[in-house]
Amino acid sequence: DAGITQSPRHKVTETGTPVTLRCHQTENHRYMYWYRQDPGHGLRLIHYSYGVKDTDKGEVSDGYSVSRSKTEDFLLTLESATSSQTSVYFCAISETLDRASIYEQYFGPGTRLTVT
Amino acid sequence: AQSVSQHNHHVILSEAASLELGCNYSYGGTVNLFWYVQYPGQHLQLLLKYFSGDPLVKGIKGFEAEFIKSKFSFNLRKPSVQWSDTAEYFCAVALSGAGSYQLTFGKGTKLSVIP
Repeated sequence: DAGITQSPRHKVTETGTPVTLRCHQTENHRYMYWYRQDPGHGLRLIHYSYGVKDTDKGEVSDGYSVSRSKTEDFLLTLESATSSQTSVYFCAISETLDRASIYEQYFGPGTRLTVT
Repeated sequence: AQSVSQHNHHVILSEAASLELGCNYSYGGTVNLFWYVQYPGQHLQLLLKYFSGDPLVKGIKGFEAEFIKSKFSFNLRKPSVQWSDTAEYFCAVALSGAGSYQLTFGKGTKLSVIP
């Protein structure tokens, strides 16, 4: 398994509070991604990063921000959590060794977030 | 924007039955195609991938998939399922040469294999 950890693994928070999820990798991969997984929706991309301080929005970026100050860490922040952000959040990484490898994403264990 | 359709939401099979899960995508350009599997309580793992060449690709654990360009399909197959194949299966598409390396996932198909 790729060296990806996510913290925390479980979190319960109240509506309106800020929340930060962390993804840490030991693979030195350039690309990192944040997805949310919801029943009936599959995985949807929130934000991704293509290098330190280089990030871009995905399909469902509203209400989320990200930061990447080091290659190994990619943070996802919910500035003011809402109940609609209750979900399982997965981090993924990929590398740019060649055309094929850049599309192969390796996933972390996930963070289950509940907003009450 | 491209989209991925997985027609079966939940498939229930007995052990040793054959499996075929459908996946269709909506993009007409060059695509890269993937199947991921998520076992209960675990993260997604890559099952198999198609980039170019032989449209019949083989993955881990006896799974295979066939890319049919004319049908915009990439169906997953296994001749004989086992109870341990119980999982959720996701098809994903990436556009080749689009400048971004995002995967678009289908909504998933849950497979339950009955012993």
